[in-house]
Amino acid sequence: KAGVTQTPRYLIKTRGQQVTLSCSPISGHRSVSWYQQTPGQGLQFLFEYFSETQRNKGNFPGRFSGRQFSNSRSEMNVSTLELGDSALYLCASKVPGQGDNEQFFGPGTRLTVL
Amino acid sequence: DQQVKQNSPSLSVQEGRISILNCDYTNSMFDYFLWYKKYPAEGPTFLISISSIKDKNEDGRFTVFLNKSAKHLSLHIVPSQPGDSAVYFCAARQTGANNLFFGTGTRLTVIP
Repeated sequence: KAGVTQTPRYLIKTRGQQVTLSCSPISGHRSVSWYQQTPGQGLQFLFEYFSETQRNKGNFPGRFSGRQFSNSRSEMNVSTLELGDSALYLCASKVPGQGDNEQFFGPGTRLTVL
Repeated sequence: DQQVKQNSPSLSVQEGRISILNCDYTNSMFDYFLWYKKYPAEGPTFLISISSIKDKNEDGRFTVFLNKSAKHLSLHIVPSQPGDSAVYFCAARQTGANNLFFGTGTRLTVIP
């Protein structure tokens, strides 16, 4: 079974630009969560999508948004990029109702904002 | 406001010895705790978990201990192996909530 895939793996943008990251969950997994990983903060929850609806949202500004498509693929968008948005963005998928031990992470997208 | 804290950013241990990774949390509503392991260029993978109704859970070389009164948990790896070298994240959840709260990670290096 293929794992969670994220594209692109690396991205370089400049301040003020916007970026879209993509996540394809494991087949059959309809819940997709996004996390931001930075050295000082660890992994911080951004949001979770299930059945094309945002179920939960972390404490991030409105510049961070996401969506989920009918095939469960998800995208997250960051507008008006700031230097502090440089981070590894991870998505994770699972079957809704399953435990966290059944949540699988992708390899992440490394975003660098210059 | 970091609700889950890993105060040791790094730890080095000799192969064959015990590795002890520590984690503290501030939210007394957390009732489920997990450890994840992360290799470079890969996403975190689930390692072991513990519910707040237990104080110990063991899986092979990995044991997690929970001290609810101290709001502290630890991961013991015995014996440590070079392949255990990775970043370890502690995470916590409150029943009914959908999101996990993660610590900042501890980089474990097992020296052959």
